[in-house]
Amino acid sequence: ETGVTQSPTHLIKTRGQQVTLRCSSQSGHNTVSWYQQALGQGPQFIFQYYREEENGRGNFPPRFSGLQFPNYSSELNVNALELDDSALYLCASSLDPSSGGWYEQYFGPGTRLTVT
Amino acid sequence: DQQVKQNSPSLSVQEGRISILNCDYTNSMFDYFLWYKKYPAEGPTFLISISSIKDKNEDGRFTVFLNKSAKHLSLHIVPSQPGDSAVYFCAASEDNYGQNFVFGPGTRLSVLP
Repeated sequence: ETGVTQSPTHLIKTRGQQVTLRCSSQSGHNTVSWYQQALGQGPQFIFQYYREEENGRGNFPPRFSGLQFPNYSSELNVNALELDDSALYLCASSLDPSSGGWYEQYFGPGTRLTVT
Repeated sequence: DQQVKQNSPSLSVQEGRISILNCDYTNSMFDYFLWYKKYPAEGPTFLISISSIKDKNEDGRFTVFLNKSAKHLSLHIVPSQPGDSAVYFCAASEDNYGQNFVFGPGTRLSVLP
């Protein structure tokens, strides 16, 4: 059973650029959630994808967008990067929302994004 | 406005003693609560959960208590071990499908040998 993986590990971008972060779900999981974790804070929910559709969204602007693929891997895209987007981006996979274990999210190690 | 608060940024406990981590929330619609543990350079790891229909849930050395009237929950670790040293996050959700878990800022636990 493979765990959740994320790539890249670290990334440095310039303000105004665009970035794509990638996540591979744990085997058997069809739901992926993305979080932003600023320094010294807890993870903040960006959005969730279930069966390739957005299934809930936190308080993030539309320049944060995502995709989920048929193999349940996922991408987070951020356009027009701002300095405040510098953070650790975490992806978490979980079982089908209708299952008994829907609440147990398995997190990847994160991608550290620095915007200069 | 923080909906989930962990007012102690850090906590130090002697090995073998009890660790108590606290969490307060403001949204009375939250009905599912979780605790996660995070080691450096790793993602958070699920520890234990509790739904609003219960006031206690136990799993080995870890017990979570929920006081709905006070909007307060706590995680007890007994006995504490050096390997428990990590950042602990409390998270809460309004719905049943984890579409929007709200995390607290975390408490760094240090268990001293």
